[in-house]
Amino acid sequence: QKEVEQNSGPLSVPEGAIASLNCTYSDRVSQSFFWYRQYSGKSPELIMSIYSNGDKEDGRFTAQLNKASQYVSLLIRDSQPSDSATYLCAVRGATNKLIFGTGTLLAVQP
Amino acid sequence: NAGVTQTPKFQVLKTGQSMTLQCAQDMNHNSMYWYRQDPGMGLRLIYYSASEGTTDKGEVPNGYNVSRLNKREFSLRLESAAPSQTSVYFCASNSGQEYEQYFGPGTRLTVT
Repeated sequence: QKEVEQNSGPLSVPEGAIASLNCTYSDRVSQSFFWYRQYSGKSPELIMSIYSNGDKEDGRFTAQLNKASQYVSLLIRDSQPSDSATYLCAVRGATNKLIFGTGTLLAVQP
Repeated sequence: NAGVTQTPKFQVLKTGQSMTLQCAQDMNHNSMYWYRQDPGMGLRLIYYSASEGTTDKGEVPNGYNVSRLNKREFSLRLESAAPSQTSVYFCASNSGQEYEQYFGPGTRLTVT
């Protein structure tokens, strides 16, 4: 079992819809969770961090964390073609290093 | 602020050649990291430096060495490049107290 798992996609959503990206992790002691956006040929860009159970909203982005289920998600409301990218989930484990998932490719169709 | 910078952006090496990838940050961060990214494998940690003067191995350190030159700079050296080291290399940094990492633009390395 991978430490951080994401569906590779592609996840295709129409413009204006809600995109839902999911991530599960295996280390129960994980404390910090991050979402990065990576455009093709570019470097990862941090878009959200979440540390406690529940929802955290920032503009069109909402991160959701459920530590009991070892599950973190990212919702993108009013999806735009410019949101088309690969979204990486990262988890900080007991060693304080980040473990990254392989990413979900999101395609927003105009 | 430039954030995290990396040089070079692209490099082609022949098997057995050596090279050093340079990374610098101007955010006064304590911790710096080197990752490689390969298709289907995600980002994998090669080496990291929790603070100036310290370095530690990550998940895939074989074939690499690092130097934390000062607080700003962290270099990655390939002593004898192999085709398996063809990858995109990213440097990242964080403050050490906060865990959000910020990435440089990457170096695309091809070893033939």
